[in-house]
Amino acid sequence: DTEVTQTPKHLVMGMTNKKSLKCEQHMGHRAMYWYKQKAKKPPELMFVYSYEKLSINESVPSRFSPECPNSSLLNLHLHALQPEDSALYLCASSQGQGAWSNQPQHFGDGTRLSIL
Amino acid sequence: AQSVTQLGSHVSVSEGALVLLRCNYSSSVPPYLFWYVQYPNQGLQLLLKYTTGATLVKGINGFEAEFKKSETSFHLTKPSAHMSDAAEYFCAVSEGSTGTASKLTFGTGTRLQVTL
Repeated sequence: DTEVTQTPKHLVMGMTNKKSLKCEQHMGHRAMYWYKQKAKKPPELMFVYSYEKLSINESVPSRFSPECPNSSLLNLHLHALQPEDSALYLCASSQGQGAWSNQPQHFGDGTRLSIL
Repeated sequence: AQSVTQLGSHVSVSEGALVLLRCNYSSSVPPYLFWYVQYPNQGLQLLLKYTTGATLVKGINGFEAEFKKSETSFHLTKPSAHMSDAAEYFCAVSEGSTGTASKLTFGTGTRLQVTL
């Protein structure tokens, strides 16, 4: 069982739809991450939240909009996605930043997203 | 910038044989190193980590890795492979400094196949 919970597990959406991915952790971690993973590739970092503030945006297109409502929740809002955005979207959390960068990231099982 | 090289995108071993997955890193500062495993349709699970101290690190499922600074390596080993070890393995280095969030740089991954 993973300690980072992602919903939904699967999502199929059209290019004009708006949907959201949800991530939740109750480990008291203060850093949360979104990754995109294509088949047979390593995860690619998209966003990092640290203490509920956006810390890193890896030049992600604006059709992806992250939100961190509180220290346990992380959302990824999706709008007008393209077929190439089809991928596994992984959420992760870790104990924090800076001096805590030696702490491992804990991953959820991901949301498999398909864009029609 | 830090980087990770995993030699061999695909490794095949017989059940009961030694598993050796290679990882070399590049870092301008003392690195924090991690091995993750990903089973089909799942997220990444932490196998083990090296931060400071003992250079031989033991992880879950009988895996271990040795940090060799002179060789900039962090190879993953297991004395006896089991069918359940078949998965994708990622080596990663953590990049972070005071005031910034932790970022993981992943290698390209090694798919381990275990045969009877």
